[in-house]
Order: sequence, then C-alpha cells, then structure tokens
Amino acid sequence: ETGVTQTPRHLVMGMTNKKSLKCEQHLGHNAMYWYKQSAKKPLELMFVYSLEERVENNSVPSRFSPECPNSSHLFLHLHTLQPEDSALYLCASSLEGALDEQYFGPGTRLTVT
Amino acid sequence: AQSVAQPEDQVNVAEGNPLTVKCTYSVSGNPYLFWYVQYPNRGLQFLLKYITGDNLVKGSYGFEAEFNKSQTSFHLKKPSALVSDSALYFCAVRDPPMDTGRRALTFGSGTRLQVQP
Repeated sequence: ETGVTQTPRHLVMGMTNKKSLKCEQHLGHNAMYWYKQSAKKPLELMFVYSLEERVENNSVPSRFSPECPNSSHLFLHLHTLQPEDSALYLCASSLEGALDEQYFGPGTRLTVT
Repeated sequence: AQSVAQPEDQVNVAEGNPLTVKCTYSVSGNPYLFWYVQYPNRGLQFLLKYITGDNLVKGSYGFEAEFNKSQTSFHLKKPSALVSDSALYFCAVRDPPMDTGRRALTFGSGTRLQVQP
C-alpha cells in the first residue's frame, strides 16, 4: 500500500460513454500525475499538476480531461474514447521538487469497446 | 531531451544467482535516476534513486544500483535473486531542477525479470 488509491480498478466503457477515474493520495504531497501504460510501450506521461495547477499537458487528446480540485485528489474525465485508449492508467504523487520519488497507485485497467 | 534505454526486454536468472538489469540514460546535465518495480496488477513501487554522492546506491528488498557517469549507465543489481523478485523493472530519469518546466520522470520501456527456482 503506497498511500495512493485509484478507483475504479477496472472499467469497461463504450466509445460513447462518459466516465471518470479518481485518484486520492494520503501522503501530504503537492504534485500529482497521470500516466498511461500500454502493452509493450514505455509509460507515457499525460498530465502533471503542481499545487493544484496544471503545469504539463503532454499533447493528450481532448477526450481526456483532468481535474485537480485539491492537492489530495485528481480526476481524469473520459468521453468519446477510442479502442486504442484501452490501457492501464496510473496516478502518481510526489512532493514538489526534483529529489523526491513518485508514489504510484495500483492503476485503473480501462477497456474501451 | 532526456531519455532512458533498457536494452533487454527480459532477463532470466536462476534463484540464488546474482542479477543485473541494465539501464543507460541521456540528459543535458547531471541526472536524477530512479528504479521502480511493478508486480502483476499493481502500480509501480519505488526501489531506489541516485541524486548525488556515492555511486553505489542501496534500496529496498536488497537491490542496489551503480551509477557510472562515463558510461551513462545506472544498472540495477542484486547479489542473490529470489523467485519473488520476478516482476517488471523500470528505470527512470529526471532532469535537474534548472529545467523547471519538466517535473515528471521519463521512463524506460521496462525489463521483465524472471527468476527460476
């Protein structure tokens, strides 16, 4: 247990659905991240929030919409996804600063049908 | 731009033997280097990091890594492998804090470690 939780753990959705992934950290961190992990590909950084402000958006399609209402919670809102968006979505958190490692949640396994 | 290479998709080792998982990096300045492990159906777990100082870094579960600046490598090692070490291992790099626009890590593609009993 790393102190970062993600819900749901598994999600199956159709291409016309709207759903949200939730991440919560209990570590007192002030930076949060969304990563996408696809089979046989390196982890892809999607979004970075620092002190609740989005500081990085790695050319992610607009069908993915992040939200960070406070330093402990991070959401990823999904709509009109494509089958190639099926992947493991990982949330991570850290203290703001280059020296600190990131702590990862268990991920949400997303399948788009 | 920073990058990380893990040249081996899979490493096989017998239980009790030493193991090495390779990682090379490319950054514009002095690197901050990390190793993570991922067990099936789990997120990544932090193992160890190199920031500065001693080139041999010790981490969790008996793992260690050696920073070699001339070879731009940061190989993960363990003197005696366990079957329970079987997992996916990721090397990651982060540029030093001068690059304030880049806070996240760049990960390698991962190496699957298989330890046979």
